[in-house]
Amino acid sequence: GNSVTQMEGPVTLSEEAFLTINCTYTATGYPSLFWYVQYPGEGLQLLLKATKADDKGSNKGFEATYRKETTSFHLEKGSVQVSDSAVYFCALSDRGGGGADGLTFGKGTHLIIQP
Amino acid sequence: EAGVTQFPSHSVIEKGQTVTLRCDPISGHDNLYWYRRVMGKEIKFLLHFVKESKQDESGMPNNRFLAERTGGTYSTLKVQPAELEDSGVYFCASSQRTGRGYEQYFGPGTRLTVT
Repeated sequence: GNSVTQMEGPVTLSEEAFLTINCTYTATGYPSLFWYVQYPGEGLQLLLKATKADDKGSNKGFEATYRKETTSFHLEKGSVQVSDSAVYFCALSDRGGGGADGLTFGKGTHLIIQP
Repeated sequence: EAGVTQFPSHSVIEKGQTVTLRCDPISGHDNLYWYRRVMGKEIKFLLHFVKESKQDESGMPNNRFLAERTGGTYSTLKVQPAELEDSGVYFCASSQRTGRGYEQYFGPGTRLTVT
């Protein structure tokens, strides 16, 4: 079956540090890949997505590149801010619908940014 | 535009009782999804409606769970009778096709505690 593995948290960084959150996946076919973010007290929000190999998704200074050869979709940001503190979820959709069907999620990584 | 709303935000019931969760999707969204996150585990897909029809209910854990979407608008998820292992956060999401594919918009979730 499908699965998503992401680094366990919490991850604690200082403001302006470089961020990497690793995500690897197992899926049949050609999945679409997503990063969702959940800020305290809020619902999940789509942060970025990539629908085919070598695509790069980006938003709010975050980037992730779809690497089919390593089945990875690592999330990066060059300089984090306190406001980036949240839980980050990596997810996939495996039916090529670009997200129309149900998503498979990782466990989530709690990111804490200290001033 | 209103987002996905869920009611109640929190429910505490005893084992053996019945609980009904409600989700109101974004107006005009044909796709509606239910997910569940049990403490310490991944967010798990439960089922997917397209309008009033169940497109995929492969994630429903057992026949104690009944989801409906009358008229293709709001949806309810009933748990009867509730068991201790049903405790968790139940998320609803909705989506509609756009030029960038599908983006699932999530509600804030309903936290269910079965005692």
